[in-house]
Amino acid sequence: AQTVTQSQPEMSVQEAETVTLSCTYDTSESNYYLFWYKQPPSRQMILVIRQEAYKQQNATENRFSVNFQKAAKSFSLKISDSQLGDTAMYFCASFSPNTPLVFGKGTRLSVIA
Amino acid sequence: ETGVTQSPTHLIKTRGQQVTLRCSSQSGHNTVSWYQQALGQGPQFIFQYYREEENGRGNFPPRFSGLQFPNYSSELNVNALELDDSALYLCASSLGAHGDPAYGYTFGSGTRLTVV
Repeated sequence: AQTVTQSQPEMSVQEAETVTLSCTYDTSESNYYLFWYKQPPSRQMILVIRQEAYKQQNATENRFSVNFQKAAKSFSLKISDSQLGDTAMYFCASFSPNTPLVFGKGTRLSVIA
Repeated sequence: ETGVTQSPTHLIKTRGQQVTLRCSSQSGHNTVSWYQQALGQGPQFIFQYYREEENGRGNFPPRFSGLQFPNYSSELNVNALELDDSALYLCASSLGAHGDPAYGYTFGSGTRLTVV
């Protein structure tokens, strides 16, 4: 079974600053993917960034980047130049072929003006 | 290209009643997954349908059932509602028998179910 753990229930950051959200996971699969999703008050899950486990290079998407530590089973999200629109719940999730998306409990991020 | 649409957006039901939630998948997607998200929690996998057949199920009792139609839209049915069924129900569509992360998952905005 796969598990995903997010140990930071809430975080806050000043606008334009950088913040890092933590995630650890456990899986026995060799082929898996990791994701960060954003859930704003509109409730829709929006994909922020995706990492294939077989890729050593950390994924980046504009202001969002990850620190993927495969041996430590760690997958943190860094948000640079934080904006008010980044305020949301952030969920870390894992996926393997033949298994569904497994989500962590989420981190509530507040960006403060 | 349309996204995932869920209806209704909010619903209040009485304990013991039955409810049907609906989901229209994104154009071109043939897989639909349903998730239950309790307040303050991450989404939990209920089940998944691929080409009208259930091909995956989470740890939910049989009173949670579903359907997928030829146009790949889907329904989630819950019988004998319990207070703990109160949650946000999310639908996600994707492409491929088990969801293909290369294509991504598209989520709807969910149905907020309250059982009183």
